[in-house]
Amino acid sequence: RKEVEQDPGPFNVPEGATVAFNCTYSNSASQSFFWYRQDCRKEPKLLMSVYSSGNEDGRFTAQLNRASQYISLLIRDSKLSDSATYLCVVNYAGSARQLTFGSGTQLTVLP
Amino acid sequence: NAGVTQTPKFQVLKTGQSMTLQCAQDMNHNSMYWYRQDPGMGLRLIYYSASEGTTDKGEVPNGYNVSRLNKREFSLRLESAAPSQTSVYFCASSVDQPQHFGDGTRLSIL
Repeated sequence: RKEVEQDPGPFNVPEGATVAFNCTYSNSASQSFFWYRQDCRKEPKLLMSVYSSGNEDGRFTAQLNRASQYISLLIRDSKLSDSATYLCVVNYAGSARQLTFGSGTQLTVLP
Repeated sequence: NAGVTQTPKFQVLKTGQSMTLQCAQDMNHNSMYWYRQDPGMGLRLIYYSASEGTTDKGEVPNGYNVSRLNKREFSLRLESAAPSQTSVYFCASSVDQPQHFGDGTRLSIL
């Protein structure tokens, strides 16, 4: 079983749609959670951190459910520029600053 | 502001050849990392360096060595390249979070 699991997609949605990605993690000692974005053939970049109370950044909303070991990302009013692969990332307590990456969910926003 | 710079960007090697991937950061970060990314696998940590003078193994260290030359530079060496090491290699650096990535080295081993 992978430590961080994501639906690989691809998700193909029309512009303006709302799309949600889910992620589960296996290690209950997980401490910090993030969503990174990776464009095709580019490096990963931090999209947003995920806080226990849930957090929003413009059109993006992240939720964390520690009891179910589940993280989600909601994108509202999708733009063409949102097309990318979204990586769920976890930092485990005691692992210093090491990150464990999910394999990513591919999103294509269609005109 | 260059951030994290990796060289080379592309490389083709024959099985058994050796090479060193270079990484340098200009953000005064203490921690540096080497990852590989394969289709369907996500990024996997090869080695990391929490501070100058220290290095530790990550998830997939076999076949690789690293050197933290100074605070800025962290190199990854393949002593005897194997086809299984064909991958995209990313270097990253951080103070805490987030990690900042270089734009990758695409390495093919024939």
